[in-house]
Amino acid sequence: QQQVKQSPQSLIVQKGGIPIINCAYENTAFDYFPWYQQFPGKGPALLIAIRPDVSEKKEGRFTISFNKSAKQFSLHIMDSQPGDSATYFCAASTQGGSEKLVFGKGTKLTVNP
Amino acid sequence: DSGVTQTPKHLITATGQRVTLRCSPRSGDLSVYWYQQSLDQGLQFLIQYYNGEERAKGNILERFSAQQFPDLHSELNLSSLELGDSALYFCASSVDPGQGNTIYFGEGSWLTVV
Repeated sequence: QQQVKQSPQSLIVQKGGIPIINCAYENTAFDYFPWYQQFPGKGPALLIAIRPDVSEKKEGRFTISFNKSAKQFSLHIMDSQPGDSATYFCAASTQGGSEKLVFGKGTKLTVNP
Repeated sequence: DSGVTQTPKHLITATGQRVTLRCSPRSGDLSVYWYQQSLDQGLQFLIQYYNGEERAKGNILERFSAQQFPDLHSELNLSSLELGDSALYFCASSVDPGQGNTIYFGEGSWLTVV
């Protein structure tokens, strides 16, 4: 049973575009929702995270929007750059931190110059 | 560089064999996590250790085992290997399992079972 569903599987945008990656979850006990960025040959790296008491969080060009009632959260990348081309994973946990993270299946983002 | 070191980077072995993957956490981190990444299953949490003790267990097969040593490095042992065990195995570490603590992933160990 996939507890965190991520879409789309892949996404291609032009430089400057705003890719949006969506995730939906079922377990209402989840209380920590991080996004990870993974480049080829590297491990995932934490990009930004949000807790359910906040509806939006921004860090630089990256924004998480969180809809608790819909059990959905999304990542927006403003003014996307070719260097943002990577695979992005959403995740969730019930421990308030990084224990037993449940990951989505990932979105491969390509930003064309 | 996350500061988490994993060895070996690549490993090819035959079915039925046993391998050991090694992880050195970031300096000062007490908690170690193991994840498996495969095309069909994605990133799956296997097991977590904190200061030498097992802290949490995920989808880890009975053929797999792990431990964290007094110097805080960890090993993941995979035995009776099957073709389906071919995957990228990540180790990650954090200061402790508490709220707000970021986990840092290593670059992974590629395991190919032939």
